[in-house]
Amino acid sequence: KQEVTQIPAALSVPEGENLVLNCSFTDSAIYNLQWFRQDPGKGLTSLLLIQSSQREQTSGRLNASLDKSSGRSTLYIAASQPGDSATYLCAVSLTSGTYKYIFGTGTRLKVLA
Amino acid sequence: EAGVAQSPRYKIIEKRQSVAFWCNPISGHATLYWYQQILGQGPKLLIQFQNNGVVDDSQLPKDRFSAERLKGVDSTLKIQPAKLEDSAVYLCASSSVRGSKNIQYFGAGTRLSVL
Repeated sequence: KQEVTQIPAALSVPEGENLVLNCSFTDSAIYNLQWFRQDPGKGLTSLLLIQSSQREQTSGRLNASLDKSSGRSTLYIAASQPGDSATYLCAVSLTSGTYKYIFGTGTRLKVLA
Repeated sequence: EAGVAQSPRYKIIEKRQSVAFWCNPISGHATLYWYQQILGQGPKLLIQFQNNGVVDDSQLPKDRFSAERLKGVDSTLKIQPAKLEDSAVYLCASSSVRGSKNIQYFGAGTRLSVL
């Protein structure tokens, strides 16, 4: 059974810091992995999608890497800003047939001005 | 393009009452998902539709939860009767597979409080 874990559960950093969020999964047979952002009281917004054949994806100040063999993904945020404060969730898709996603519990990030 | 629409945004009911949530996915998206997100946890998939057929409902408590997607577009999720532990945010998402990608787009969710 696939399980997704995110560490740390919460993180508070001063503005301008570079930071890394971690996601680990127990079954390396994944189809792809997505990182999402969730603001309080809102739905999820997709940030980056990494297909199983890829090792990383970049969008602006965000970079996500994927190491299937070790069951890990990291989300790197460069030069953090107060507007980055949100909960970040990773989710793995198990097969290409159903595209079912299993979500982690999230990392709650607070960037202090 | 318009996003995923959900209603209502908030609902407060007493235990043993019934409640229904509505979702309108992005136009043209064949796949629709209902998730339950309990406070402090990640979303848990309840049911997944491909057009108007069910692909996965393995985690749907079928004794009290039901969902339908008529004509492969809008969907409703119903709880009858509600229990205290059903208090959560219910998220609807839709996706369209482009190439080998499957990016999910989420609605704002319905926050349910069961008293």
